[in-house]
Amino acid sequence: AQSVTQLGSHVSVSEGALVLLRCNYSSSVPPYLFWYVQYPNQGLQLLLKYTSAATLVKGINGFEAEFKKSETSFHLTKPSAHMSDAAEYFCAGGYQKVTFGTGTKLQVIP
Amino acid sequence: DVKVTQSSRYLVKRTGEKVFLECVQDMDHENMFWYRQDPGLGLRLIYFSYDVKMKEKGDIPEGYSVSREKKERFSLILESASTNQTSMYLCASSSGTMYRGNTEAFFGQGTRLTVV
Repeated sequence: AQSVTQLGSHVSVSEGALVLLRCNYSSSVPPYLFWYVQYPNQGLQLLLKYTSAATLVKGINGFEAEFKKSETSFHLTKPSAHMSDAAEYFCAGGYQKVTFGTGTKLQVIP
Repeated sequence: DVKVTQSSRYLVKRTGEKVFLECVQDMDHENMFWYRQDPGLGLRLIYFSYDVKMKEKGDIPEGYSVSREKKERFSLILESASTNQTSMYLCASSSGTMYRGNTEAFFGQGTRLTVV
């Protein structure tokens, strides 16, 4: 069965610090991977997606993610956190059906 | 912009009631999905549909049914609401054929359902 796993349900960073949110996928997941963001009381919106064209994927709001097949990972990073980045982030992957991770809440400390 | 609209942001229903959650998308997408979102569990797929009148069970279909009579509308039905169905419900749509997973999903704002 395909699945994605997010490590860490809560992550806190200082404003201006590096953001690193971790996602690993099962080996049966094809290389269609996504990161979504959910701001409070809103639906999810796409940050970026990997579709095998390039291993480093750039998304909106300065986020990027690197696909590493050897590590079965698709971690999300941002060089410098901003207060407006506080939200819940979901890694997802799938083919016919998309499987979502359990989410990571990012807190940005001023 | 793609728009996925859920009919209600908040709903309060009584145990045993039949509940209808409505979702409409305006981008002529083939695929539509219903998820429920619970703290610590992420999003779990209830049902999805890849064409009018077609539906497939997701990971947690028990206690739910769906209807897709028109391409733009996908309804989630709780046949007899129970307190363990209190949750946030998210509708989504995406384009493409059923066997292409590389297209993003567009989500509605969610419906927070409370069953008392």
